[in-house]
Amino acid sequence: AQKITQTQPGMFVQEKEAVTLDCTYDTSDPSYGLFWYKQPSSGEMIFLIYQGSYDQQNATEGRYSLNFQKARKSANLVISASQLGDSAMYFCAMRAVEASYGKLTFGQGTILTVHP
Amino acid sequence: GAVVSQHPSRVICKSGTSVKIECRSLDFQATTMFWYRQFPKQSLMLMATSNEGSKATYEQGVEKDKFLINHASLTLSTLTVTSAHPEDSSFYICSARDGYNPSTDTQYFGPGTRLTVL
Repeated sequence: AQKITQTQPGMFVQEKEAVTLDCTYDTSDPSYGLFWYKQPSSGEMIFLIYQGSYDQQNATEGRYSLNFQKARKSANLVISASQLGDSAMYFCAMRAVEASYGKLTFGQGTILTVHP
Repeated sequence: GAVVSQHPSRVICKSGTSVKIECRSLDFQATTMFWYRQFPKQSLMLMATSNEGSKATYEQGVEKDKFLINHASLTLSTLTVTSAHPEDSSFYICSARDGYNPSTDTQYFGPGTRLTVL
């Protein structure tokens, strides 16, 4: 079984500063993918970044980077130069290759608030 | 990127009525669609997985007679909440996976449907 843990229910950051959202995972599958999604108050789930378990380099997408530490089973999201529009709920998710039809397992989520 | 639409975005209904929610993949063929339920400030709870042309697979604890899922084509899946009651009020989100394209094997989410049962 797969499990995703996000231990920060809420995080606060000053505009233009960087923030790290924590995510740890547990799986016995040797091949898996890790995702981060953003959910603003409107409710839509916005895909941010993806990291494959065999990827040698940490994924980056614009201001988003994923700090992947395989031995520690962590996949933290780093947002650089925070903007007010980054205020939202963020979910870490995992898909094991063996998972039925690509099913995702989600963490509990972290509410990020960016202060001006 | 791939686009998934959901309709309606918001629905209010009386207790005892049935409500149908549509989920469409607009620019790709969705081999698999997923239906989630979400309560305020909580995570997404997977309700069921549906593959085109076959019966949906429901997660443990989800009543299949209560939440009817149909995936009649590669671009459309529907969730029908039958005999809705106030406790069914929630945010329902669908997602679609393009299983034909392994390089972009990502789940794309619809904008969600907020159901309120009076």
